[in-house]
Amino acid sequence: DIQMTQSPSSVSASVGDRVTITCRASQGIFSWLAWYQQKPGKVPKLLIYAASNLQSGVPSRFSGSGSGTDFTLTINTLQPEDFATYYCQQTNSFPLTFGGGTKVEIK
Amino acid sequence: QVQLQESGPGLVKPSQTLSLTCTVSGGSVSSYYWSWIRQPPGKGLEWIGYIYYSGNSNYNPSLRSRVTMSVDTTKNQFSLRLSSVTAADTAVYYCARCRDNGSGGCYWYFDLWGRGTLVTVSS
Repeated sequence: DIQMTQSPSSVSASVGDRVTITCRASQGIFSWLAWYQQKPGKVPKLLIYAASNLQSGVPSRFSGSGSGTDFTLTINTLQPEDFATYYCQQTNSFPLTFGGGTKVEIK
Repeated sequence: QVQLQESGPGLVKPSQTLSLTCTVSGGSVSSYYWSWIRQPPGKGLEWIGYIYYSGNSNYNPSLRSRVTMSVDTTKNQFSLRLSSVTAADTAVYYCARCRDNGSGGCYWYFDLWGRGTLVTVSS
């Protein structure tokens, strides 16, 4: 199985900040990576696919980059509605696996 | 637009079989690949497996010996059965749609999710 490791596990930030979340795969996955946002009690929402492609309807302050084993999700100018938990997921091979999540909290 | 809705018992006894159904509305179950994903309370996401309307399936090896998925095209539904459950199977179970790649396949990320249903395993 490909292990996905996210860091940090949590981050405190203020509205307007720039936040960067890292996801590392235990082996190369090309650009086969997706990012999701999940708010408490809600369903995961697809943000980014193929490492850097913004899902339709997702604000442009979200961006993704990386390939191989190292990936980042960046949120520019953090908004109140962005406080949530973010998960990466590798889509390269079975079994599909998710990172452990990064909780973005209000400072 | 296409919507997914999970249904099934919210409480299952240990050693019994968990059975859930996902109803597809506004679209056809005979398109797309469909997955089940679960999330224990306060924890992360775990992919359980996928099913295609043809019957093609793939399960997470960690659960493979206990999982069966099926599709009922007449009811526009797909289902999950997980046998011999324990407390560790307590989770919110989501059904989800895999993004179509335009060539009859799937990109293996999930662009549509059901609302999820909490299944508790307890006597």
